[in-house]
Amino acid sequence: EVQLVESGGGLVQPGGSLRLSCAASGFTFSSYWMSWVRRAPGKGLEWVASIKQDGSEKNYVDSVKGRFSISRDNAKNSLYLQMNSLRAEDTAVYYCARDQGGVLVPAQWGQGTLVTVSS
Amino acid sequence: QVVLTQSPSASASLGASVKLTCTLSSGHSSYAIAWHQQQPEKGPRYLMKLNSDGSHSRGDGIPDRFSGSRSGAERYLTISSLQSEDEADYYCQTWGTGIRVFGGGTKLTVL
Repeated sequence: EVQLVESGGGLVQPGGSLRLSCAASGFTFSSYWMSWVRRAPGKGLEWVASIKQDGSEKNYVDSVKGRFSISRDNAKNSLYLQMNSLRAEDTAVYYCARDQGGVLVPAQWGQGTLVTVSS
Repeated sequence: QVVLTQSPSASASLGASVKLTCTLSSGHSSYAIAWHQQQPEKGPRYLMKLNSDGSHSRGDGIPDRFSGSRSGAERYLTISSLQSEDEADYYCQTWGTGIRVFGGGTKLTVL
């Protein structure tokens, strides 16, 4: 059974940093693109960042470029999102997702971790 | 860049059918999309991929009450025999070179 378990969320002040983790199991982690997607309160889903199987390609939504960094450790079956210079508008539930093989579609999702940016 | 447009809300009665619409922006009418469901207080769930030719492939465990179709730049998700657990937010999603794009979502109320 595919499992994606996010952790690392919490309350952080504006301008602060946070690192999210996603522990993956039940599939060959190194064979899939992985993504982070968020949902802000009262808003819809927003794609945040994605990383290729070997980490050689990373893509970001414009609003987080230069502030967020996605990475992965295939030996540990883990995905990460380093979030710096956090803003109030980054407040959201962050979901880890595994893409469908060969297509840039999140086909397996985690339950999410809440990030709140507030003073 | 491609934009996906969805109606904010829809409603239908228990046991009935409903058709949700996702419209691709000008110049992107041939794009394939995917549909995702998010029930209250849960993580999203992948429903299906809808190819540019109108064929679709459902995710694991998704019942055949969920089906997809297309007409021009519009992509549809039809849910038949509505059940209470179908009350959820539904998102269409497409992709480009390395990026993914979500529509704004449709909140479905089952009456």
